[in-house]
Amino acid sequence: DIVMTQTPLSSPVTLGQPASISCRSSQSLVHSDGNTYLSWLQQRPGQPPRLLIYKISNRFSGVPDRFSGSGAGTDFTLKISRVEAEDVGVYYCMQATQSITFGQGTRLEIK
Amino acid sequence: EVQLVESGGGLVQPGGSLRLSCAASGFTFSSYSMHWVRQAPGKGLEYVSAISSNGGSTYYANSVKGRFTISRDNSKNTLYLQMGSLRADDMAVYYCARYDSWGHGTLVTVSS
Repeated sequence: DIVMTQTPLSSPVTLGQPASISCRSSQSLVHSDGNTYLSWLQQRPGQPPRLLIYKISNRFSGVPDRFSGSGAGTDFTLKISRVEAEDVGVYYCMQATQSITFGQGTRLEIK
Repeated sequence: EVQLVESGGGLVQPGGSLRLSCAASGFTFSSYSMHWVRQAPGKGLEYVSAISSNGGSTYYANSVKGRFTISRDNSKNTLYLQMGSLRADDMAVYYCARYDSWGHGTLVTVSS
């Protein structure tokens, strides 16, 4: 199985400041079809996960443009340009190139 | 609007069985692969099982292989997960998911 490793596991951030979460895969996520199936999910407290970003950098419908994704191969990053109170929660990277596996999750909290 | 509503969770004794259902609406259910993902209390997400759009292909995590069976009824827009030989470490919220949408989950508690 592909192992997904996120850093940091906890990220205290000041409101209005940027935040960044990294995700590294144990092998390349480039699929034989040429796509890279790396997504980011947000899970607010008491809520189910919600898709934010798919195929590295594509924002899902309704996701604010302060969220952006980047990366290639085995290294990926989720950035929030200016953290808002509603962004508190746990963020997961997820690969779907070979079956599906998740990162451990990164808890975003407000300082 | 895509809606996925899970049901069937509850308290079951170790070694027991349970059948989860997921009622789908707002999209052409028969066109999509569907998934089950679980989350133990206070833990991260664990992929459990998947089924292709026509039900002809299935996938199981090693942790549930041989004990769980995924199925679907496209005429009823419903996804199922039959769980057997349940163990304490199967206790979790079980989510039904399309690739871009998740249900609110149903809690399975395994305890004597």
